[in-house]
Amino acid sequence: QVQLVQSGAEVKKPGASVKVSCKASGYTFTSYGISWVRQAPGQGLEWMGWISAYNGNTNYAQKLQGRVTMTTDTSTSTAYMELRSLRSDDTAVYYCARVSGVVIINYYYYMDVWGKGTTVTVSS
Amino acid sequence: DIQMTQSPSSLSASVGDRVTITCRASQSISSYLNWYQQKPGKAPKLLIYAASSLQSGVPSRFSGSGSGTDFTLTISSLQPEDFATYYCQQSYSTPIFTFGPGTKVDIK
Repeated sequence: QVQLVQSGAEVKKPGASVKVSCKASGYTFTSYGISWVRQAPGQGLEWMGWISAYNGNTNYAQKLQGRVTMTTDTSTSTAYMELRSLRSDDTAVYYCARVSGVVIINYYYYMDVWGKGTTVTVSS
Repeated sequence: DIQMTQSPSSLSASVGDRVTITCRASQSISSYLNWYQQKPGKAPKLLIYAASSLQSGVPSRFSGSGSGTDFTLTISSLQPEDFATYYCQQSYSTPIFTFGPGTKVDIK
């Protein structure tokens, strides 16, 4: 079945980096994009960015520009999200999601498959 | 940047109630609007895409409507498993997506 399996929980100190993985299975990895979404404790969903698994093109949320890098390894159908210079307010559950599209006259995109999330805790 | 708002931020309802949640975009987004459901400790689940198209496997009591700047998610008869938080998301500026702040639906 189509699924995204994320790496395990991480605990990091302020100023460190974290790299979360998201392994896809059950579909052709390079035919879709991957978005990363995070959720701080008790808060809503925050879109972090998107990467095309086809050509590696990326688009990041403005507030994370310079601190985040998204990559893919097509040989293992895995997407990665690295966040640097971690702060306490980066503590959150980080989700990867497959970005799919459908043509209804125009092309509409949505996130139809989600990983279970990776908890990243930033604490001294 | 496109900003999304939702109302109400929370509501209490009973099983069998008709529930309506509103989402508003800061500019016209045509029908580029998706709805997600999230239960505590779980990943979000896609309910509706393109404002009114029901995702495969989602019960027909869920429906979406609207275009331009104003959108609605309706649950025709609330079931026990529907108590959750609901988020709208614009995809007009794909690959940039923006979520609304969420609407929590709990038991009256």
